Order: sequence, then structure tokens, then C-alpha cells
Amino acid sequence: QKEVEQDPGPLSVPEGAIVSLNCTYSNSAFQYFMWYRQYSRKGPELLMYTYSSGNKEDGRFTAQVDKSSKYISLFIRDSQPSDSATYLCAMSASGTSYGKLTFGQGTILTVHP
Amino acid sequence: DVKVTQSSRYLVKRTGEKVFLECVQDMDHENMFWYRQDPGLGLRLIYFSYDVKMKEKGDIPEGYSVSREKKERFSLILESASTNQTSMYLCASSGADQETQYFGPGTRLLVL
Repeated sequence: QKEVEQDPGPLSVPEGAIVSLNCTYSNSAFQYFMWYRQYSRKGPELLMYTYSSGNKEDGRFTAQVDKSSKYISLFIRDSQPSDSATYLCAMSASGTSYGKLTFGQGTILTVHP
Repeated sequence: DVKVTQSSRYLVKRTGEKVFLECVQDMDHENMFWYRQDPGLGLRLIYFSYDVKMKEKGDIPEGYSVSREKKERFSLILESASTNQTSMYLCASSGADQETQYFGPGTRLLVL
């Protein structure tokens, strides 16, 4: 079993839809949770960063962490065609050597006009 | 802005060749990482380095080696390229906050 599981999709939604992306994990030591966005033929870029449990909102994006269920989510409101990308969840444990991250497989999202 | 650059965007090599992939970061970051990205498998860590001349194996180091002679530069070496090393290779760096990694644009390597 992988430490981090992410549904690879692909996910296709109409413009304006609410998108929900999810990851589950098995390592209870994970404390830092991230979402990266990767456009086609580019490197991933950090989108959201959360420490421990709770919610974090940034514009149309909301990240949720439920450590009791070992489940994290990224919600995108009013999705736009420019949100079409691969979304990768990533996480690390407190005190992990040198910021080593464990990534999910990535979900391919397409938002069509 | 943090900038991580990789020497090539696309590379075609033959089986058995020695391949060098170079990565340079301009933010004086201590930590640097090499990943490969394959469909359905996500990013898998090959090697990372936390200081000059220091390196540690990641999850899939077999068939690879690394070199970090200067703080800003981290090289990935394929000693004898094989077709199963055809992949997208991504370099990343992180600094004091450690958990935030900044990625380069990637090198798409094809081994024939």
C-alpha cells in the first residue's frame, strides 16, 4: 500500500463548477500538507500549504486536513479553464530529514468552457 | 522569485550512454532534490542533498548517482542509461522552511 493515495482521475468539469480533489494517507506522523499544481510541460508549483488539521482558504481555493481520518482535500470554487492542470498532494512528517516530501500520484483536471 | 533551472528540456540518449542532468538554484537553498515523474506513479524521489558534498538516497536510487560540488548546483548522473529510465526528471530545492520545495521545469529524457 502506498503511503499517499490520490485518485488520478482524469476529472473533467464545466466552467464554474466546484471541484473536490482528495488524498488519503497512512503515515500518522505527517504534519505538513501541501497541494502543488502542475501545468502541462512545466514543473509543479506550490498552491496551498497547511500545518496539522484545519482549513485554509486562499481566494477560490480551500485546503482541508482531517488528521483523524488521514484525509486531505482541495476545493476549487468557480473553476476556470486556467485551472486545468495536474494537482499533486504532498506531505511530510515533523522533523523529517531536510524537508523530504511524499507525493500522491496526481489528479489530472480539465475545466471546459 | 526563486529560480530553479535545468540544463535541458528534452534529451534523447542511447542505451548504455552516460547521461548528466544539471540543476541550478539561485536562492542559496541548502536542500536539493531529484525526482522522476511517470504517469500513474506521481513523483518519486531519487536522491537528495542537504549540503555541499552530502547526499542521501531517496526511494528509487538504483541506476543513478548524484554530485553536489557547489551549493547552487546538483547533478544527476545515469551511469549507463537504460530504456526504463525514460521519464520526466524534476529538480527541486528548499531552504530554511524545508517543507516548501521549488521545482525546475523538468527534463524529458528519452532513452532509445
